[in-house]
Amino acid sequence: RKEVEQDPGPFNVPEGATVAFNCTYSNSASQSFFWYRQDCRKEPKLLMSVYSSGNEDGRFTAQLNRASQYISLLIRDSKLSDSATYLCVYSGAGSYQLTFGKGTKLSVIP
Amino acid sequence: DGGITQSPKYLFRKEGQNVTLSCEQNLNHDAMYWYRQDPGQGLRLIYYSQIVNDFQKGDIAEGYSVSREKKESFPLTVTSAQKNPTAFYLCASSISGDGVTQYFGPGTRLLVL
Repeated sequence: RKEVEQDPGPFNVPEGATVAFNCTYSNSASQSFFWYRQDCRKEPKLLMSVYSSGNEDGRFTAQLNRASQYISLLIRDSKLSDSATYLCVYSGAGSYQLTFGKGTKLSVIP
Repeated sequence: DGGITQSPKYLFRKEGQNVTLSCEQNLNHDAMYWYRQDPGQGLRLIYYSQIVNDFQKGDIAEGYSVSREKKESFPLTVTSAQKNPTAFYLCASSISGDGVTQYFGPGTRLLVL
């Protein structure tokens, strides 16, 4: 089983739409979870950390479900500038290493 | 401005040649990392260093070498033993501790001629 599984997309959505990405992970000892955003041919940039209680940052909401071993990212009122690849990332307990998913590509269309 | 710099942006390697990729950070981070990204793939860890003069192999260390003589610098050498070096190389850094956020440099694209 792959360590991190994401739907590669692409997700093509119109401006203003709400879109959700899910990600499943196999390591039940995983400790910390993140969503990174990567623009084409650029480096990944931290979008938000994901907490068990769920967290929101403007139009972005992240949720963690430890029992089912998945995390989600919800983007409301999509903007053209949201077009990017979204990477699901986690780290194991006591580990410096991050494990990256292959990413989900989002294209927001005018 | 604090950040991570990588140079060069593009690098061309001839067969049998060693090349070194530079990574510098002025964030005062203790830990630094090197990743490789291939098209359509997730990032894979090559080497990481938690402290000066110490480093650990990641998942795909074969054909690569690193050094950590200074806190600010973590150069990566792609040796001739790396048979498929064409990729996007990303350097990252973080404060000490596990599970902490890593911040990335702009990357170096290595192409084999």
